[in-house]
Amino acid sequence: GESVGLHLPTLSVQEGDNSIINCAYSNSASDYFIWYKQESGKGPQFIIDIRSNMDKRQGQRVTVLLNKTVKHLSLQIAATQPGDSAVYFCAENPGHGSGNTGKLIFGQGTTLQVKP
Amino acid sequence: DAGVTQSPTHLIKTRGQQVTLRCSPKSGHDTVSWYQQALGQGPQFIFQYYEEEERQRGNFPDRFSGHQFPNYSSELNVNALLLGDSALYLCASQTYNEQFFGPGTRLTVL
Repeated sequence: GESVGLHLPTLSVQEGDNSIINCAYSNSASDYFIWYKQESGKGPQFIIDIRSNMDKRQGQRVTVLLNKTVKHLSLQIAATQPGDSAVYFCAENPGHGSGNTGKLIFGQGTTLQVKP
Repeated sequence: DAGVTQSPTHLIKTRGQQVTLRCSPKSGHDTVSWYQQALGQGPQFIFQYYEEEERQRGNFPDRFSGHQFPNYSSELNVNALLLGDSALYLCASQTYNEQFFGPGTRLTVL
């Protein structure tokens, strides 16, 4: 079946260090990927996205890397801050380019804990 | 500009009852998707509405139904509630690229 998974349920990092959150996806036809951040009691918040014709995309303090060969996605957060503590989800949109712009398939999530 | 809003925030129902959840999309967004998020899990796609019609549907039974109004707001209806329907129900509205999520409605079925 369809699935998007994350390698580690919890990641603990020191404030100021860089964080790397990994994700494996199973649908090789997926062509659009998104990272979301979800804080307790809130809905998922868009962080950054990447299309399958790209390998890397950078935002403010965040970088997403896509390796289509091994169906792997990662989110790098530079200089991690206490406010980055949350659950992070990767999501894929199968067939985005063909007009399917709706259904997102989410992974289980990785909890990022930032130690002061 | 208000983002995606959902009501109510919390809801407690008993098995067998019916529930209606509401969503107002972000201004200018005409597409609304609903997701179910069980505790400790990622959101699961229920269905999507566009131009007042269900455009896509996930693997959810017919007990889950929805509606979209001319102003693009949407409702999610769940009939014959089961204990397993307890979850956070998220609404997302979108432009072509991004889906913006609301804060969700926490449904507890006793």
